Amino acid sequence: GENVEQHPSTLSVQEGDSAVIKCTYSDSASNYFPWYKQELGKRPQLIIDIRSNVGEKKDQRIAVTLNKTAKHFSLHITETQPEDSAVYFCAAGDNFNKFYFGSGTKLNVKP
Amino acid sequence: SAVISQKPSRDICQRGTSLTIQCQVDSQVTMMFWYRQQPGQSLTLIATANQGSEATYESGFVIDKFPISRPNLTFSTLTVSNMSPEDSSIYLCSVAGGTYEQYFGPGTRLTVT
Repeated sequence: GENVEQHPSTLSVQEGDSAVIKCTYSDSASNYFPWYKQELGKRPQLIIDIRSNVGEKKDQRIAVTLNKTAKHFSLHITETQPEDSAVYFCAAGDNFNKFYFGSGTKLNVKP
Repeated sequence: SAVISQKPSRDICQRGTSLTIQCQVDSQVTMMFWYRQQPGQSLTLIATANQGSEATYESGFVIDKFPISRPNLTFSTLTVSNMSPEDSSIYLCSVAGGTYEQYFGPGTRLTVT
C-alpha cells in the first residue's frame, strides 16, 4: 500500500519568514496530492491540492510543487503570519479517492 | 462545499460497550469515508462507505469491530464495537466534493474508560 512520509515533524519560523514542508510517497499510481491545515480541536481543512499532471500550483501565499519522478511534493508558505500556526498534513490519493496521510507538521509562527 | 455534521460530537464510554457515530451531509455525495485520528497523530483511513453495498475496509480494520452503514447518498454510520481504551480517538467522516477533493466532518471525540 501507499506510504507517505512527511518532514519536518515540527517547524518554528519567525513571522514574515517562509516555511517549507516536504512529503514523499511510494506508490506511483497516486495521482492527487492535497494539503490540509488542522487547528487545535478542529477538523482538517483543505488548503491547496495538486494533481499529478501539474508541477506547481499557487494560491496567494501558499504554493505546492510536485516532482513525480522523485515522488515528492512540498508545501511552501511565504510571509508567514501567526494565524498560519497549526498542524499541516500532506496526503496522497488514488483513483478510488482513498487518501493516505503523512504524519503531520506542527508549524509555529512566532510574532 | 457540502455541509457535513456528525453526532455525537463527543462521548465517554465504558469498555466493552459500542457507540454508533452518525455522519450527515446536506447534499448527495457518491463517496463517503471514515477516518480515525488517535491523540496527537495523523489520520488513518478506516473504510470507504459504499451506498447499497458493504463498506470496503483498509488493512487492520475489520467489519466486526467497525460496522458501517450507508443507507443513502447523504448519510452514513460507523459503529465502534466492544470498545477498549485503545479505541479512544477522534473519528471523522469525509465526503468527496468533486473529482478528487475530500471535505471532513467536525469529528467525534471518543474516550473509552
